[in-house]
Amino acid sequence: KQEVTQIPAALSVPEGENLVLNCSFTDSAIYNLQWFRQDPGKGLTSLLLIQSSQREQTSGRLNASLDKSSGRSTLYIAASQPGDSATYLCAVLIPNFGNEKLTFGTGTRLTIIP
Amino acid sequence: NAGVTQTPKFHILKTGQSMTLQCAQDMNHGYMSWYRQDPGMGLRLIYYSAAAGTTDKEVPNGYNVSRLNTEDFPLRLVSAAPSQTSVYLCASSQLLGSGQREVTDYEQYFGPGTRLTVT
Repeated sequence: KQEVTQIPAALSVPEGENLVLNCSFTDSAIYNLQWFRQDPGKGLTSLLLIQSSQREQTSGRLNASLDKSSGRSTLYIAASQPGDSATYLCAVLIPNFGNEKLTFGTGTRLTIIP
Repeated sequence: NAGVTQTPKFHILKTGQSMTLQCAQDMNHGYMSWYRQDPGMGLRLIYYSAAAGTTDKEVPNGYNVSRLNTEDFPLRLVSAAPSQTSVYLCASSQLLGSGQREVTDYEQYFGPGTRLTVT
């Protein structure tokens, strides 16, 4: 059974710092990995999606990497801002005989200190 | 495009009552799913549908769904229990069923959620 882990569960950093969020998964047989952010009381917003054949994806100040063989992904946030404060979730899409499923980590709650 | 919409945003239900959570998407996505989100447990898949006319459940009992068309995927709580207190999130994607693995647009889009309390 696929398990997705995100460590740490919470992280606080001063504004302006670069930071890395970690995601690990137990089964390398995935189609893709997606990073989301969730603001309090809101739904999930997709940030980046990395296909299993890709190594990284970039969007603005965000860069996500994927190492399938080691079961790891990282989300790098450059020059952090208070608006980056949110919970960040990673999820892997796993094969399931045509009904593929998304398995989520429990998230990292990020606080950027002004 | 409105994306994925959910109603209501909040609701309080008494034990034993039934209600339907609404979810709709206007992106012509084939795949739709329902998750519940509980503190410390992350998101858990409840039900999914690969296309209109098909559904499959991930967790047993207490919930029911229908997929009469591409756009709508309502979740029904048959007889609410306090254990069903949660935030319910609906999602959709272009993900297709068997034989469509060359399709790469598997990105999931989520609605804003329904916060449900069962007393």
